[in-house]
Amino acid sequence: AQSVTQLDSQVPVFEEAPVELRCNYSSSVSVYLFWYVQYPNQGLQLLLKYLSGSTLVKGINGFEAEFNKSQTSFHLRKPSVHISDTAEYFCAVSLGGGGNKLTFGTGTQLKVEL
Amino acid sequence: GAGVSQTPSNKVTEKGKYVELRCDPISGHTALYWYRQSLGQGPEFLIYFQGTGAADDSGLPNDRFFAVRPEGSVSTLKIQRTERGDSAVYLCASSLGQGLAQTEAFFGQGTRLTVV
Repeated sequence: AQSVTQLDSQVPVFEEAPVELRCNYSSSVSVYLFWYVQYPNQGLQLLLKYLSGSTLVKGINGFEAEFNKSQTSFHLRKPSVHISDTAEYFCAVSLGGGGNKLTFGTGTQLKVEL
Repeated sequence: GAGVSQTPSNKVTEKGKYVELRCDPISGHTALYWYRQSLGQGPEFLIYFQGTGAADDSGLPNDRFFAVRPEGSVSTLKIQRTERGDSAVYLCASSLGQGLAQTEAFFGQGTRLTVV
């Protein structure tokens, strides 16, 4: 079975500063990796996903993530955050080859301050 | 509608009662998923439908939980003899159904269930 660890439950950051949200996964088989964002009172929204190929994946709203197989990580980064990026961010994994079940981490609350 | 719709948005029920939670997926989406999100946790998979049939119900915690999708569109999650531990936000998602690599799952805003 696969699992996801998000070590940081909260990350405070000042506006226009860079941010990295950490995600590590565990799986004995190939997986697909995802980052979702949940804004207050809204549903989960897909930010980006890694399936195969280039290890650097670009998503919406200026976010990107890098897949590192040796470190089993998929950290999310943004070079300059905005107040509107304040939200909960979830890393998730599904089985490679057509899986339909997402296994989520516990989430990281990103709080952007002025 | 434009997105996945879940009703009610909030539900308070007494311990031992029966509840039904409804999900209206995006029109044309054949795949439908139910997740449960407890306080401070990430969403936890419950069940996945492809069309009318449950393709994977391995996440249903026990036989008090049941879900149906009789016409391949709207789905209802049913919880019998509710317990306080069932309190959580129940999320529904839908996708075009070729697997998460090919298609995106769109989530509703969830139903917050509180069992008192």
